[in-house]
Amino acid sequence: GAGVSQSPSNKVTEKGKDVELRCDPISGHTALYWYRQSLGQGLEFLIYFQGNSAPDKSGLPSDRFSAERTGGSVSTLTIQRTQQEDSAVYLCASSLAPLVAVSTDTQYFGPGTRLTVL
Amino acid sequence: GQSLEQPSEVTAVEGAIVQINCTYQTSGFYGLSWYQQHDGGAPTFLSYNALDGLEETGRFSSFLSRSDSYGYLLLQELQMKDSASYFCAVSSNTGKLIFGQGTTLQVKP
Repeated sequence: GAGVSQSPSNKVTEKGKDVELRCDPISGHTALYWYRQSLGQGLEFLIYFQGNSAPDKSGLPSDRFSAERTGGSVSTLTIQRTQQEDSAVYLCASSLAPLVAVSTDTQYFGPGTRLTVL
Repeated sequence: GQSLEQPSEVTAVEGAIVQINCTYQTSGFYGLSWYQQHDGGAPTFLSYNALDGLEETGRFSSFLSRSDSYGYLLLQELQMKDSASYFCAVSSNTGKLIFGQGTTLQVKP
């Protein structure tokens, strides 16, 4: 079946512009995660959606970052007034049902969106 | 808060065995996972431990000691294709996953 997809794969923008990054999770997966990865670095947790629960936004670095998940499926990460330090790869992942079993807890990652802010 | 520590780099030769350690501090610990990421690729799941002990999956094994807040990934019969970054990740009882900074493994001929 189809995996996690993200669009665009690459985005170059000018400082101060807003950008929207999209994630299509695996169908039926209840949990969706956004991470940020700078070159040669680890994965920085941004936000976590689980079913109809309020999202865990504890990783969003500033109020310029926001995300929504519509209809329990597609998610959009929006960065307003982009800055050069926002340049990174933004990764989305989904899992079937966290905290139930290993097989349902596994996160499946999309290919990422490489954001470059000039 | 949550934090994880793992070595930044490890080098080994083909056919050898390598162990990548991970220590963590977290509240509401649920499990420890390992993910592999090749250059330019997306992370892929390798192994998961919720209970103490060793989990074996082919050439890869993962170990967890909850009392020591410690785990490791063991890679046997190293192959060139195992050159990648390896991340340990702690899941909390809310389902959130926090990743370490990753260990870059270089396998030499």
